[in-house]
Amino acid sequence: EAGVAQSPRYKIIEKRQSVAFWCNPISGHATLYWYQQILGQGPKLLIQFQNNGVVDDSQLPKDRFSAERLKGVDSTLKIQPAKLEDSAVYLCASSLEYGASYEQYFGPGTRLTVT
Amino acid sequence: QKEVEQDPGPLSVPEGAIVSLNCTYSNSAFQYFMWYRQYSRKGPELLMYTYSSGNKEDGRFTAQVDKSSKYISLFIRDSQPSDSATYLCAMKKAAGNKLTFGGGTRVLVKP
Repeated sequence: EAGVAQSPRYKIIEKRQSVAFWCNPISGHATLYWYQQILGQGPKLLIQFQNNGVVDDSQLPKDRFSAERLKGVDSTLKIQPAKLEDSAVYLCASSLEYGASYEQYFGPGTRLTVT
Repeated sequence: QKEVEQDPGPLSVPEGAIVSLNCTYSNSAFQYFMWYRQYSRKGPELLMYTYSSGNKEDGRFTAQVDKSSKYISLFIRDSQPSDSATYLCAMKKAAGNKLTFGGGTRVLVKP
């Protein structure tokens, strides 16, 4: 079974530029999550989708971050404009269904460096 | 104060030793407790989960939850160099899917 796919793996941009990350969850997984993991810290949930609807985006900085999951499968996370403090690894995860969230499967992440 | 606290380490042990990891938390609403392992430049992978209080064993791994003390532990017996990684605890309330992670403890098992 293929795991969660993410691209790109690495990205370096200058502050005030925009960037987009892509995630393809495990086939059949209805719930998709985007996390931000700053170096030396645990992952922090940014947004959670159930199919193509948003369940929780309370920690998403909506003035600069946006995410979508149009067809209930893959998803994109965008940052515009980027700030230095956005340097982090952005992890995508998926789970089979709402309520079984302890079984979240993570992708390898996209490492973003903002200079 | 963070909801979930975890010593960042690093924790260095010789091969074959028992690794002892722990987390403390402040929110009594947490009901599900998980341990994830994260290798360098990889995503976290679920090792174990426990519902409410008690112990759970899986091979060389034992997870313990003490809700009265708001304290959870993970023990790794007969540690191997391949166990060298960052270990993250995570917790969830009864309702909803949001996981709250600790900061992770880096473990190094020396041959």
